[in-house]
Amino acid sequence: DGGITQSPKYLFRKEGQNVTLSCEQNLNHDAMYWYRQDPGQGLRLIYYSQIVNDFQKGDIAEGYSVSREKKESFPLTVTSAQKNPTAFYLCASSTDYSNQPQHFGDGTRLSIL
Amino acid sequence: GESVGLHLPTLSVQEGDNSIINCAYSNSASDYFIWYKQESGKGPQFIIDIRSNMDKRQGQRVTVLLNKTVKHLSLQIAATQPGDSAVYFCAEFNKLIFGAGTRLAVHP
Repeated sequence: DGGITQSPKYLFRKEGQNVTLSCEQNLNHDAMYWYRQDPGQGLRLIYYSQIVNDFQKGDIAEGYSVSREKKESFPLTVTSAQKNPTAFYLCASSTDYSNQPQHFGDGTRLSIL
Repeated sequence: GESVGLHLPTLSVQEGDNSIINCAYSNSASDYFIWYKQESGKGPQFIIDIRSNMDKRQGQRVTVLLNKTVKHLSLQIAATQPGDSAVYFCAEFNKLIFGAGTRLAVHP
């Protein structure tokens, strides 16, 4: 089955640590996205990538970093600079960036120890 | 600032009734919208989309209505079932703005 796989499902971070969230897709989509979801709020865009080896900051990129070395993979690193990292993180992909439906993974819940 | 919001945070319906979930948007240039369903602990699932050259689009048991004059769209679910219980949110795709969602609770 084609889809988006996020791992791990739950992740715990100690203060001062960087952690990396994995996102893999086998849909052959060019565009990939990372969102953060907090209770009672809409999804907020962290980073997006329209094509391999290219990515752009979203609305809340501070404290996060990404890479897009392969078409199918778009890992997100939550750095120690992100002061409020506890959230549900969602990865999505679409055939291209312009006005195409985004398909989502099942998310990673990050908590701080 | 721009926003996409919903009128009600929670909607309770009886099984078999029709459900209507509303969404307002602020950007008059928005031309592509999607409704998503999100179950607890899972990622959003695509339900139906609509572009601004349409007023209405129907899927299986779902209908989306778009009123560009008042910048409002709605999701109608016919014969609501317990499996429809979830959070539903709309998204505007020109600037990737997502609403916070309405929780639909279906009671037997």
